[in-house]
Amino acid sequence: GQQVMQIPQYQHVQEGEDFTTYCNSSTTLSNIQWYKQRPGGHPVFLIQLVKSGEVKKQKRLTFQFGEAKKNSSLHITATQTTDVGTYFCAAARGSTLGRLYFGRGTQLTVWP
Amino acid sequence: EAEVAQSPRYKITEKSQAVAFWCDPISGHATLYWYRQILGQGPELLVQFQDESVVDDSQLPKDRFSAERLKGVDSTLKIQPAELGDSAMYLCASSFLVQGDGAFFGQGTRLTVV
Repeated sequence: GQQVMQIPQYQHVQEGEDFTTYCNSSTTLSNIQWYKQRPGGHPVFLIQLVKSGEVKKQKRLTFQFGEAKKNSSLHITATQTTDVGTYFCAAARGSTLGRLYFGRGTQLTVWP
Repeated sequence: EAEVAQSPRYKITEKSQAVAFWCDPISGHATLYWYRQILGQGPELLVQFQDESVVDDSQLPKDRFSAERLKGVDSTLKIQPAELGDSAMYLCASSFLVQGDGAFFGQGTRLTVV
């Protein structure tokens, strides 16, 4: 089953508003990855976080990994219509051969 | 730009028939994943290979599903017999390192069982 819980499941925002999705696990994670899937497309890798408390930025996107390595967030500043899609976190835990489990995703809709 | 190749893109099959999907990962990627994705849900891991070895197939319904990667390069996922509930997108992904690199996904095979 799912190893990571992702909330919210859906988010509708007006263009220019901010957006945040959260990913939570009951166990410590080795790393966490974030993916974006456009409608009708396949998941596309965005970033990986490995270190406790790590923060990474990609233009308007900010990714954080919790201090306990059990949660993560993706924040988009000033959303644009091109941000539409479903954002997934995916986590591996345990050994270097750990499985890559995906959350259910947050579906983002941006109204112009 | 290197891509993960999957075929076919679409497959319609009758229940109880056999169906097979093919995946050619990015050259040099040792790790290969097969995922199943139902509309509105996240990808569900079916099987993970490291080179030609199965690392994890705990989520693979082994009574009807099988997967192989004989030479550690391309891979085949088979379903026999197909059931109505198998209708989904089947995604293949590959990554360079065992753990620590992002997975690159193919376009997927959309399976419809009628």
